[in-house]
Amino acid sequence: QVQLVQSGAEVKKPGASVKVSCKASGYSFNNYGISWVRQAPGQGLEWMGWISAFNGNTNYAQKFQGRFTMTTDTSTTTAYMELRSLRSDDTAVYYCARVKRRACDYWGQGTLVTVSS
Amino acid sequence: DIVMTQTPLSLSVTPGQPASISCKSSQTLLHGDGKTYLYWYLQRPGQTPQLLIYEVSTRFSGVPERFSGSGSGTDFTLKISRVEAEDVGVYYCMQTLQLPTFGQGTKVEIK
Repeated sequence: QVQLVQSGAEVKKPGASVKVSCKASGYSFNNYGISWVRQAPGQGLEWMGWISAFNGNTNYAQKFQGRFTMTTDTSTTTAYMELRSLRSDDTAVYYCARVKRRACDYWGQGTLVTVSS
Repeated sequence: DIVMTQTPLSLSVTPGQPASISCKSSQTLLHGDGKTYLYWYLQRPGQTPQLLIYEVSTRFSGVPERFSGSGSGTDFTLKISRVEAEDVGVYYCMQTLQLPTFGQGTKVEIK
């Protein structure tokens, strides 16, 4: 079965960076993309970006351009996201999701990133 | 960016009764390939979002038949024919015609 297992919760200081991993299993990793979506406490869903596991092509939400990077490692079927220059309003649960036919059909369990001094 | 607007923002439903959520997009979601890239998700309390409906009206694997999606262009609707207790949560519409955007969410609770 399709599974996306994310790395554990992180606590970071303002200005720091965070890197979250998303280990995929149960499907052919190279044939799908991965999107990253975040959810601030008590708020809705916010799409951050998408990466193709096939060729590494990316699309980023303009809001995160310049401080957000997505990568994949096909040898370990793992996707990564890194967010830099963290601010308090980056405190959120970050989700990875498999993308098939433009739909986020399977989601990771989420990773809470807390930014606090 | 395409703006997605859901109404209502909250809904209280008696079990066994129908429920309907509207989602309007700021521009048509019809692609030149003939597909309309509109999706519905449910996030149950404390859980991860799950895909319910893709491309307006196709139920995802395992989604009960009481969920249905309809609409075209800029106006879309998610209907639950008979609400059950497990349907409680926040429902989101999402478009992927352009860079993806979500609606604000509609919170459904049981009376």
